[in-house]
Amino acid sequence: QVQLVQSGAEVKKPGASVKVSCKASGYTFTDYYIHWVRQAPGQGLEWMGWINTKHGGTKYAQEFQDRVTMTRDTSISTAYMELSRLRSDDTALYYCARLRVCSTTSCFYWFDPWGQGTLVTVSS
Amino acid sequence: QSALTQPASVSGSPGQSITISCTGTSSDVGVYNYVSWYQQHPGKAPKLMISDVSDRPSGVSNRFSGSKSGNTASLTISGLQAEDEADYYCSSYTSSSTWVFGGGTKLTVL
Repeated sequence: QVQLVQSGAEVKKPGASVKVSCKASGYTFTDYYIHWVRQAPGQGLEWMGWINTKHGGTKYAQEFQDRVTMTRDTSISTAYMELSRLRSDDTALYYCARLRVCSTTSCFYWFDPWGQGTLVTVSS
Repeated sequence: QSALTQPASVSGSPGQSITISCTGTSSDVGVYNYVSWYQQHPGKAPKLMISDVSDRPSGVSNRFSGSKSGNTASLTISGLQAEDEADYYCSSYTSSSTWVFGGGTKLTVL
């Protein structure tokens, strides 16, 4: 079945970087974008950006433009999200989610499924 | 991009219907039919419930329905059941080619 499995929880100090992975299975990896969404404790969802898994192109939310890097390794069907210069308010659950690339006749704008989430804790 | 506006909480009794609103702008909800809704139970990842304003994915109960009028989208759950108690989030594609989520609504089944 289609699955996105993320790497385990991380604890980082302020100013450090974190790299979260998202391994896809059950479908053709390059037929879908991977988006990243985060959720601070007790808060709502915040969209961070996407990576085109076929071409490697990216688009980031303005809030993360200078601190986030999304990459992928098609040989192992895995996407990565690296966030640098971590602050305490970056403490959150980070999710990856799949979004299908446009076909010749349709485009798609919903996320399904989502990974299980990776907790990143930033603390001195 | 500001978050879409949702009520913080709604409640209803088993068997009743409830509606959750999601208000955006003419740069997102008002201009695109690309609103989706997600259900999130505590400690779980979000689950797609509605895509493209009103399309229900395979496997999602027909008690869930979506609609849109102007800058406001809505999710209606009919025949409320205890298992529907969860947080619900709307999302929309935007004119900046980005996505934006609502702040979330906590549904309590009384």
